[in-house]
Amino acid sequence: GENVEQHPSTLSVQEGDSAVIKCTYSDSASNYFPWYKQELGKRPQLIIDIRSNVGEKKDQRIAVTLNKTAKHFSLHITETQPEDSAVYFCAVNTGNQFYFGTGTSLTVIP
Amino acid sequence: NAGVTQTPKFQVLKTGQSMTLQCAQDMNHEYMSWYRQDPGMGLRLIHYSVGAGITDQGEVPNGYNVSRSTTEDFPLRLLSAAPSQTSVYFCASSFTPEWGTEAFFGQGTRLTVV
Repeated sequence: GENVEQHPSTLSVQEGDSAVIKCTYSDSASNYFPWYKQELGKRPQLIIDIRSNVGEKKDQRIAVTLNKTAKHFSLHITETQPEDSAVYFCAVNTGNQFYFGTGTSLTVIP
Repeated sequence: NAGVTQTPKFQVLKTGQSMTLQCAQDMNHEYMSWYRQDPGMGLRLIHYSVGAGITDQGEVPNGYNVSRSTTEDFPLRLLSAAPSQTSVYFCASSFTPEWGTEAFFGQGTRLTVV
């Protein structure tokens, strides 16, 4: 099956700084790459996604970049705010299955 | 809109007991799935269904059964609970995974097996 690796596992940034989380995958047939945010005790919720025919997508302070050749994609959060503190998961869609990374716990220090 | 509804929210079981986690969605999604979430391991797929009457195994199916008799419902059965099944369980649905669409998650079930 697919192998998704996510780094770092924890990340602390000062409010206003940028945060970058990276994921790599193994199956070149993977075609959809979403990012989910999970606040403590809550359900995961989609924050941004990208398809295999696109290299970059941006939504306000959040962006995702995809390098299909190298099989990696990254989440970029600019001008971080305390409410960005959460666990972020990358995921890869291969066939009928989603494979998730192990998560990054982001803490934004006011 | 209710979205994806999961019950119960919390459950404590004794080793060897069986139970069913309920999941229902009202978005007419074809694809439904169950995940377990363990610390440091992300979300791992247990079973999934691409439509009524069709189910398949995910990454960690042992000890769990599913069925999909309707589009709306996708229950997860623990046949004989073991402490290793202590976890947080999430049900999710999406229109279809083939072309990559958003997965909507239920609120989760925290299961403890003692």
